[in-house]
Amino acid sequence: DSGVTQTPKHLITATGQRVTLRCSPRSGDLSVYWYQQSLDQGLQFLIQYYNGEERAKGNILERFSAQQFPDLHSELNLSSLELGDSALYFCASSVDHLQGYGYTFGSGTRLTVV
Amino acid sequence: GESVGLHLPTLSVQEGDNSIINCAYSNSASDYFIWYKQESGKGPQFIIDIRSNMDKRQGQRVTVLLNKTVKHLSLQIAATQPGDSAVYFCAETVTSGTYKYIFGTGTRLKVLA
Repeated sequence: DSGVTQTPKHLITATGQRVTLRCSPRSGDLSVYWYQQSLDQGLQFLIQYYNGEERAKGNILERFSAQQFPDLHSELNLSSLELGDSALYFCASSVDHLQGYGYTFGSGTRLTVV
Repeated sequence: GESVGLHLPTLSVQEGDNSIINCAYSNSASDYFIWYKQESGKGPQFIIDIRSNMDKRQGQRVTVLLNKTVKHLSLQIAATQPGDSAVYFCAETVTSGTYKYIFGTGTRLKVLA
């Protein structure tokens, strides 16, 4: 157990629907990062939150949004889902706001859009 | 478990042999690099890192080599064990200004008994 908790582990939904992925960071970590991993592709950075504030944005579609709550857990909302959104979505956390230092990843949420 | 990168390049190694996994990075300004291991059904796990002011760094059974001239990174695993079977990928970032982490697509390591 890495200390980063992601729920649900698996999600199957239809095109056009909306889903919410949840991440609880490791205790003491203030930053949460969301990544998308499709088959044959590396991890694509979506967005970072630090202590409740958006810190950095990557290749996140307008149909996707995220937030970090006062208790530091984060949610990634995916709407108007398309087949191409099927992927593994990972959350990572770290103590500070610097990307790449002290990352701890969760086990991911497998999203299947049918 | 999840299948990550079904069509990734695969390196097959006999148990006990040394493994070398290569990575070409893209940004000549990148100055910090990390190797991750991803087992089926799990998230990426930090293995070892190296800064651009170093050419080599050793950990427990792992060594990372950095060649900035050709923008190449390698991960060497000594005495490869069945538990080393996983997808390995490198990541690069620039540690000044706005960080942006770029992950490689990965190599699947299969350890043969």
